[in-house]
Amino acid sequence: DQQVKQNSPSLSVQEGRISILNCDYTNSMFDYFLWYKKYPAEGPTFLISISSIKDKNEDGRFTVFLNKSAKHLSLHIVPSQPGDSAVYFCAASASSGAGSYQLTFGKGTKLSVIP
Amino acid sequence: DAGITQSPRYKITETGRQVTLMCHQTWSHSYMFWYRQDLGHGLRLIYYSAAADITDKGEVPDGYVVSRSKTENFPLTLESATRSQTSVYFCASSESSSHQPQHFGDGTRLSIL
Repeated sequence: DQQVKQNSPSLSVQEGRISILNCDYTNSMFDYFLWYKKYPAEGPTFLISISSIKDKNEDGRFTVFLNKSAKHLSLHIVPSQPGDSAVYFCAASASSGAGSYQLTFGKGTKLSVIP
Repeated sequence: DAGITQSPRYKITETGRQVTLMCHQTWSHSYMFWYRQDLGHGLRLIYYSAAADITDKGEVPDGYVVSRSKTENFPLTLESATRSQTSVYFCASSESSSHQPQHFGDGTRLSIL
C-alpha cells in the first residue's frame, strides 16, 4: 500500500520553462511534506518543505503547493535550468503517533531539462 | 567539515557473509536512519534510532541489525548477506524536533554475489 505516490516516472522540460512535479498521498496523518533532489551517485539533498498549516512555500525558483483536501502537493521550478536535471523525491511525515519523524518516500520523478 | 559520511562507498561480498556499513554524523543530531533504494521502490526505511541505545524497526528490517552506542555513529550490519540485499544504502540524520528535514549521506552501493 503506497502512501506517497509520484505517478510520473519522468518529465522533460525545455530550459527556461516551468517544471511541475506532482505527488499524491493517502495518509491523512501526514502533516509535513518535503521534496528532495538526487543526482546520480549522491545522496538525496533536501530542497524545500511545507507544513500542513500552509498551502504554499517558496524558496527562490522553487515553490511547493499543498492541497490538503485533495491530498496533493506539487513542486514548481521556474525557470528550469539544465542543472535541475535530477530525480526528485516527494516525502511525508506525521508529527504524532507511532512512527513520527519517519519519512515515507514516493518512487521519484526523473526531471530532464533540455537546453 | 560537518556532515554525514558513509563508508565504504562501494562493497562487493558473497552470500552468507557478514558485512557492516558505517555511518557517522558530526551534527549531534538525535535521530538517525537507514534506507535502501531499489529500482521501482524509491527509498524504504530499514531501521531508525531516536537516540543512543534506542533503535526501532522501519518498513523492511528483516536480515539487518543496527546499534547506536554513540550518538554520532549508526552502523548497519547484514549478518548473513543474501542477493536480495543488493542495493544502495543511505544513512540520514535529523534534529529531534518535529518538522525537520533529514540530511543524507552519499550512500553505499552494496553488491552481493
